[in-house]
Amino acid sequence: AQSVAQPEDQVNVAEGNPLTVKCTYSVSGNPYLFWYVQYPNRGLQFLLKYITGDNLVKGSYGFEAEFNKSQTSFHLKKPSALVSDSALYFCAVRDRQAGTALIFGKGTTLSVSS
Amino acid sequence: DGGITQSPKYLFRKEGQNVTLSCEQNLNHDAMYWYRQDPGQGLRLIYYSQIVNDFQKGDIAEGYSVSREKKESFPLTVTSAQKNPTAFYLCASSPGDRANEKLFFGSGTQLSVL
Repeated sequence: AQSVAQPEDQVNVAEGNPLTVKCTYSVSGNPYLFWYVQYPNRGLQFLLKYITGDNLVKGSYGFEAEFNKSQTSFHLKKPSALVSDSALYFCAVRDRQAGTALIFGKGTTLSVSS
Repeated sequence: DGGITQSPKYLFRKEGQNVTLSCEQNLNHDAMYWYRQDPGQGLRLIYYSQIVNDFQKGDIAEGYSVSREKKESFPLTVTSAQKNPTAFYLCASSPGDRANEKLFFGSGTQLSVL
């Protein structure tokens, strides 16, 4: 079985400071990992994904994420937060075996203050 | 959200009534998905379809039904057996069923019980 955990319901940061949104996962084999963002009353938008290769993945809007196999983590990061980054962020995992669907974490609300 | 249309945006269900949520995509994607979003619980998979005329149950399929008669359409029916239907419903699609593909989401339907 596959699962993903986002241990923080909410993360608060000041504009201009670095931000980290945490994610850990559990799969039987090797994972594909994703981050999505949701703005109020909208669908989810894709930010970035880890498939293979470099453990540091760069995505949209200046976000990046680091895959750490030994810690089974895929934390989302940004060097300098913007107020417009305030949204709900979801980590998701999928086993490399085709036929399994994407499983999402419960989400972390990011609030960036000016 | 481009390419995936969900309707209606808001829907109200009376006691004992079945209601159908529409999801249409013009992306020529093979795979389509339905997720339910509740506050604090993230997204949970209801049903998914990897090809026309075939679909599989997700984690919370009880009280729901789907059909996939056309590639571009994947309607979800919330039956009277679903005792707690109030939630935000999200439809998504992906080009195929490869595990490394990102999902494209619609804007969602908010279902409430009268």
